[in-house]
Amino acid sequence: AQSVTQLDSHVSVSEGTPVLLRCNYSSSYSPSLFWYVQHPNKGLQLLLKYTSAATLVKGINGFEAEFKKSETSFHLTKPSAHMSDAAEYFCVVSDTGGFKTIFGAGTRLFVKA
Amino acid sequence: KAGVTQTPRYLIKTRGQQVTLSCSPISGHRSVSWYQQTPGQGLQFLFEYFSETQRNKGNFPGRFSGRQFSNSRSEMNVSTLELGDSALYLCASSLAPGQGRDEQFFGPGTRLTVL
Repeated sequence: AQSVTQLDSHVSVSEGTPVLLRCNYSSSYSPSLFWYVQHPNKGLQLLLKYTSAATLVKGINGFEAEFKKSETSFHLTKPSAHMSDAAEYFCVVSDTGGFKTIFGAGTRLFVKA
Repeated sequence: KAGVTQTPRYLIKTRGQQVTLSCSPISGHRSVSWYQQTPGQGLQFLFEYFSETQRNKGNFPGRFSGRQFSNSRSEMNVSTLELGDSALYLCASSLAPGQGRDEQFFGPGTRLTVL
């Protein structure tokens, strides 16, 4: 069975400081993993995806995530937060066959000036 | 290339009514998925369609149904609306299912309010 856990419901950082959004997953198969961002009253946008290629994945807007199989983690990071990064972030796991996609509960990122 | 479009963007209904939401995927995308998003339950998968066939279904009652047309456009229907059906309904399209590796492209959603 698949599951995904976002360890923090809210994260607050100051502008210019690093961002870390944590995600742990559970999957019986080799999963595909994604991070999506949702700005208020908008649909979701893909930040990055892991599909069994390089374990360090670079995405848009300076975000990156590292797939760690031994820790079953796929944490999202960014070296320096910007005010425009304030949004909700979703970690997503999908099985190899694409038959099941599960979204995490989301982490709301607040960025203080 | 136009993105995923959903109509209507906002909808207000009363309990007991039914509603139909529409989703037009990105041109060339053949897979369409529907999600319900609420503050309490988060994002929950409703169903996915590919080539006019429902390929996967989430854990929702039979009042929630959908279909896909030959041009890949999809509709979802909710009958006998309940207050708890108030939510943002998101549609997502992808090229094709099967590998779980395809990015999903989301529409802006339809905000349904049930009074």
